[in-house]
This record gives sequence, C-alpha cells and structure tokens, in this order.
Amino acid sequence: LAKTTQPISMDSYEGQEVNITCSHNNIATNDYITWYQQFPSQGPRFIIQGYKTKVTNEVASLFIPADRKSSTLSLPRVSLSDTAVYYCLVGVYNNNDMRFGAGTRLTVKP
Amino acid sequence: DVKVTQSSRYLVKRTGEKVFLECVQDMDHENMFWYRQDPGLGLRLIYFSYDVKMKEKGDIPEGYSVSREKKERFSLILESASTNQTSMYLCASSLTVSQPQHFGDGTRLSIL
Repeated sequence: LAKTTQPISMDSYEGQEVNITCSHNNIATNDYITWYQQFPSQGPRFIIQGYKTKVTNEVASLFIPADRKSSTLSLPRVSLSDTAVYYCLVGVYNNNDMRFGAGTRLTVKP
Repeated sequence: DVKVTQSSRYLVKRTGEKVFLECVQDMDHENMFWYRQDPGLGLRLIYFSYDVKMKEKGDIPEGYSVSREKKERFSLILESASTNQTSMYLCASSLTVSQPQHFGDGTRLSIL
C-alpha cells in the first residue's frame, strides 16, 4: 500500500516560508503525488500535483527527489489564512492503492 | 469550476435506521469517491466508483453500500446505522485516475 507519513503539526509565523514533507517509501511507478488543503467545516481543496522533480503554481511548489520516496510542499510567505490541515496523497485509485495520510496541521501565527 | 454537492451538511439519525447520503457532481467526471473523516485518522476511503453501476471497496466498506445509477450521482448507504458510524462523510469526484479529486463540503452525521 502507498502509505504516507507526515508530521502531525507545524507552527510558523506570517511571512515565512513553510516546508511540509511527506514520506512515501513504497511509492509505485505510476503513482502521482497530490497535496490538499482543508479548512474547518470544508472539504479538502487541491493545491498541487506532481510526478517527479519540481512543480510550481501560483500558490505553492512541490519538490520531489529522484527516488520519489518523499515530497515537500513549499508555501512561500505564509499568512494567517494559510492555517489549515495539509494532506499528502500518493497513488492511483484504480489499483485500490491510494491512501491519504493523517494530515499536517499548520498554524500560522502573527 | 467543478461543483460537488452533498445533500445535507448535518444529519441526525437513530441506531438501526437505513441512512442515505447523496452526492452530485456537475462536471461529467468518471470517478466518484466516498470517505469518512475522523479526528486523528485523516480521510479513509469507503467506496469508489469508476463508472456507472461500477464500484470498488476501499479501506472500510463494512456496514456501507453504494449506488451509482447515473454518472453524476453517487449515493452512500448505511444499511443499519450504528453509533460508530457517527462521523464526517466526504464525497469527491475526479475526471481521470490521475487527475486531482474535487470534494464536497461534507455531511456531519450523528447516529444516536
């Protein structure tokens, strides 16, 4: 199974860069890595997805090393509104091998 | 934007009742999913469907069934509700197997 491991919680301050790492040692060849953000009383929302190397969009970057056994979500210059739970998802569901991690609760302080 | 709509935000039912949770997506997505979310456990997959009338078990299918008679609608059924099924239920859809999932805002179900 594509098991993922993330830190349970992280604290940061406004304006800092935050890096959240997800470990996925048994990632399969055709697995994608996807990150989601969830606010209280809402469903998770897609942030970024990648397969290898680096992906960047308007809100985040995703770094994936060559062995793909981990990935790092990078949030530049966080604000209070980035306080949320962040989930790493690895896998392709039709192999029934897709699992969400327990999530990382990020708290951004003023 | 993709919209995934869950029929109820909050629902209270009694032990032993048959409970239906409905989910509708408006983007002609092939794949739909039901998860439950509990504190400290993250999201756990109950069932998913990759086509009309097709379904696959996820991690925790016991006590649940699903129905997908139309492409846009995916229903989760609790055959005989029990208190340990009190949880937040989330529905999601995706266009293809490798595309990101789009989630509804969840149904908080309480079984008394």
